[in-house]
Amino acid sequence: DAGVTQSPTHLIKTRGQQVTLRCSPISGHKSVSWYQQVLGQGPQFIFQYYEKEERGRGNFPDRFSARQFPNYSSELNVNALLLGDSALYLCASSLVGTGAYNEQFFGPGTRLTVL
Amino acid sequence: LAKTTQPISMDSYEGQEVNITCSHNNIATNDYITWYQQFPSQGPRFIIQGYKTKVTNEVASLFIPADRKSSTLSLPRVSLSDTAVYYCLVGDMADSSYKLIFGSGTRLLVRP
Repeated sequence: DAGVTQSPTHLIKTRGQQVTLRCSPISGHKSVSWYQQVLGQGPQFIFQYYEKEERGRGNFPDRFSARQFPNYSSELNVNALLLGDSALYLCASSLVGTGAYNEQFFGPGTRLTVL
Repeated sequence: LAKTTQPISMDSYEGQEVNITCSHNNIATNDYITWYQQFPSQGPRFIIQGYKTKVTNEVASLFIPADRKSSTLSLPRVSLSDTAVYYCLVGDMADSSYKLIFGSGTRLLVRP
């Protein structure tokens, strides 16, 4: 079985641009979470989706948005990119429900660099 | 908002037991406490999860006191390959909005 996949692997953008990151969960998993990890820091929670509905949101500005599709894949969109958005963006999927009581399986991440 | 606190770094030697503690006030009532391991340029990998008391699996043990305001990850007989960053993860329901909170991470260095 394939693990969580994310695309693209690396991305370089300039300030002000918009970016879309994609995530495919493990087959059968209905929940997807997004995290931002700045170099040297722990992952910061951005969103969690379950059954195509937003179930949790971190302290990120409205420039960050996400959605989950009927096949449970997900996209994270970031508008008006800032230099500080440069980070590793991690997607994690879990089997059911929300909350930390479900083991989350993480993808390899998308490395975003904003110049 | 739940705040998690972990030691920044720890040093150990091969074969020793390592205990890493995470303090987490304001954890959501029904949420479990989960620990992850992360190597450079990789996503975090699940180690162990628990709600209360003690949980043990093939790689680690997790101790959670009755008040659930902290947890301790115990790695028995560490090896060089256990050199990594270790994170605790808890859920928080402050502001009526669910959030998952990672600790700041503990960088474990295992020496020969």
